[in-house]
Amino acid sequence: LAKTTQPISMDSYEGQEVNITCSHNNIATNDYITWYQQFPSQGPRFIIQGYKTKVTNEVASLFIPADRKSSTLSLPRVSLSDTAVYYCLVGDLYSSASKIIFGSGTRLSIRP
Amino acid sequence: DAGVIQSPRHEVTEMGQEVTLRCKPISGHDYLFWYRQTMMRGLELLIYFNNNVPIDDSGMPEDRFSAKMPNASFSTLKIQPSEPRDSAVYFCASRLSSSATNEKLFFGSGTQLSVL
Repeated sequence: LAKTTQPISMDSYEGQEVNITCSHNNIATNDYITWYQQFPSQGPRFIIQGYKTKVTNEVASLFIPADRKSSTLSLPRVSLSDTAVYYCLVGDLYSSASKIIFGSGTRLSIRP
Repeated sequence: DAGVIQSPRHEVTEMGQEVTLRCKPISGHDYLFWYRQTMMRGLELLIYFNNNVPIDDSGMPEDRFSAKMPNASFSTLKIQPSEPRDSAVYFCASRLSSSATNEKLFFGSGTQLSVL
């Protein structure tokens, strides 16, 4: 399993763009990169997933360089409600033997 | 769909008692995962099933923990006997294996377990 490394915490202000970078140096050819968001007292919630280059949805963008050894979750114009823990996961989604392991995550705090 | 449903939402018990946590995955999902979350250890994978069959239970802390999935719509996680160190939030999650590119885990609301 590819190990991931993320900052433990980040602070930002409302209206700013926030970029959270995740390192996964040992990513395998079949691995996808997935990000989840967790609010207090709730289970994690899927945000975005990608394999290479750039993926964008209504919530966030995911940037993956050509070597795929890192990825960056970009949250545009954050609000107070984006305060949460963000997890980066790497794994082979199409293998029946694929565990889905969460790391420590990044605790994002948004200030007014 | 109602999503992944877990019960009870909160459980308070005394050390030595048996605890059973329940999970109903999203209909049609063929993977089910049990996780435990604490401040100290974060979100730990305990066990996961594929088509009701346990695939990997290496995360189950010890023999006091057991999990079953008798059918596609129900799973239980049992702790017997329970200990104070088992206090945590237990999450159940399910997903659908397919060729779609947006596979994702869907989590339940969790069971907050307190063992006194």
